[in-house]
Amino acid sequence: EIVLTQSPGTLSLSPGKRATLSCRASQSVSSSYLMWYQQKPGQAPRLLIYAASSRATGIPDRFSGSGSGTDFTLTISRLEPEDSALYYCQQFGTSPRITFGPGTKVDIK
Amino acid sequence: QVTLRESGPALVKPTQTLTLTCTFSGFALSTSGMCVSWIRQAPGKALEWLALIDWDDDKYFSTSLKTRLSISKDTFKNQVVLTMTNMDPVDTATYFCARFTMPRCAFDFWGQGTMVTVSA
Repeated sequence: EIVLTQSPGTLSLSPGKRATLSCRASQSVSSSYLMWYQQKPGQAPRLLIYAASSRATGIPDRFSGSGSGTDFTLTISRLEPEDSALYYCQQFGTSPRITFGPGTKVDIK
Repeated sequence: QVTLRESGPALVKPTQTLTLTCTFSGFALSTSGMCVSWIRQAPGKALEWLALIDWDDDKYFSTSLKTRLSISKDTFKNQVVLTMTNMDPVDTATYFCARFTMPRCAFDFWGQGTMVTVSA
């Protein structure tokens, strides 16, 4: 089973700054099968990015994804207060097997 | 529009079986590429995928929980049912159902979740 590791655990940045979140896989993941989600307190997760770099419907273009193989990145180019949330990466593998990373908390201070 | 809603007991006792129902609208689970999945989240913890059922009635389970899980669908009622046997306090969590579509292989719509507490 592929294990996803996310770093940092917490990111504290000011509005307008750039946030870079990392997701590392224990084995190579097809770029087609790496996703990012945003979760705010008390809410269900929301799909941000699919296929490593494609924005889901309605997602602002300040969110972007990149990467391949075992290293993937979610970038929030200009942080806004409403971006305070937990961010999870997720991969889809054979069988299928679906795993999530442990999450990165983004605090906008 | 696509909506999903979870329903089931808020409290179950240890060793009991949990049955959760996901009622959805806005898509047909009989359509090729459509799937419904269950994910849970213990308080303050990360998301954990549990099970998935696809349009062809193929079923997939978390490796660590597969001996305790079953999933089924009623295409006419637009419902997916998850059962988890031998519940334990560590199974206390919010349980979400979500639509999973192929080939995108992403959870694009989620229910609001239902909190289940396991306690005597």
